[in-house]
Amino acid sequence: NAGVTQTPKFQVLKTGQSMTLQCAQDMNHEYMSWYRQDPGMGLRLIHYSVGAGITDQGEVPNGYNVSRSTTEDFPLRLLSAAPSQTSVYFCASSRGQYSNQPQHFGDGTRLSIL
Amino acid sequence: AQTVTQSQPEMSVQEAETVTLSCTYDTSESDYYLFWYKQPPSRQMILVIRQEAYKQQNATENRFSVNFQKAAKSFSLKISDSQLGDAAMYFCAYRSATGSNYKLTFGKGTLLTVNP
Repeated sequence: NAGVTQTPKFQVLKTGQSMTLQCAQDMNHEYMSWYRQDPGMGLRLIHYSVGAGITDQGEVPNGYNVSRSTTEDFPLRLLSAAPSQTSVYFCASSRGQYSNQPQHFGDGTRLSIL
Repeated sequence: AQTVTQSQPEMSVQEAETVTLSCTYDTSESDYYLFWYKQPPSRQMILVIRQEAYKQQNATENRFSVNFQKAAKSFSLKISDSQLGDAAMYFCAYRSATGSNYKLTFGKGTLLTVNP
C-alpha cells in the first residue's frame, strides 16, 4: 500500500531552471493538494484539486503551476525557479466532500534553489 | 479566513510525564474538523488525532487526548506518559466541513523535546 508517493526526495536547482515535482496516490482520493513548509511558517497551501481536470489556487500560488489529468497524479511545476522557492514541499490527498477522513501526506521533497 | 495559532514555539517534558500543547483557532463556521499532526525528524506528517466540531466528546487515541472547547475556539493536545519517540514538531490544523475547498490551515507548530 504505497499511499502518497513524491519524487524526487531531494533536488538542487539553479535560479531560472524549471522542474516538476511528482505526486501520485493509489487510494482513489478525489482531493489532492500541494503545501510548502518553511521554518517558522507551518505549512502553506500552494494549489489544490478537487478532482481530475479541476484545480485552484491556494495561499501562495505564484511561481507554480499544476494540472490534474488523472485521479492519481498531481504534478507541481516550477516555471522559473527562484531562491525564495527553497522549501520542503508536501503533497497530500484525501477523500472528497462530506468526508471527515484526514489528509494523507507524502514524505516531502526538499528543494534548494541556488 | 480561518487562522490557527500555536502560542508555544517550543515545549519540553520529562520522560513519563504529561505535557499539554496549546492551539487556538478563529473561524465563523460551525462545522469543521480539527487535527493534530506530528512531524518527527524524518519529515513525515503523521496524524495524531482528529476532532469533529459537532462532537462534544473529546477525542482520545491511546496516550493522546484533546481538550476541545468550541465556544473558546481552543483545541489543546495532551500527551500522557511521554516517550522519547514523542519528540517532534506538532502542528494543529483546521479544515472546513463545507464547500469544496478542503484545505488544511496549519498553525506554525510547537517543537516538543522529551528529556530522559
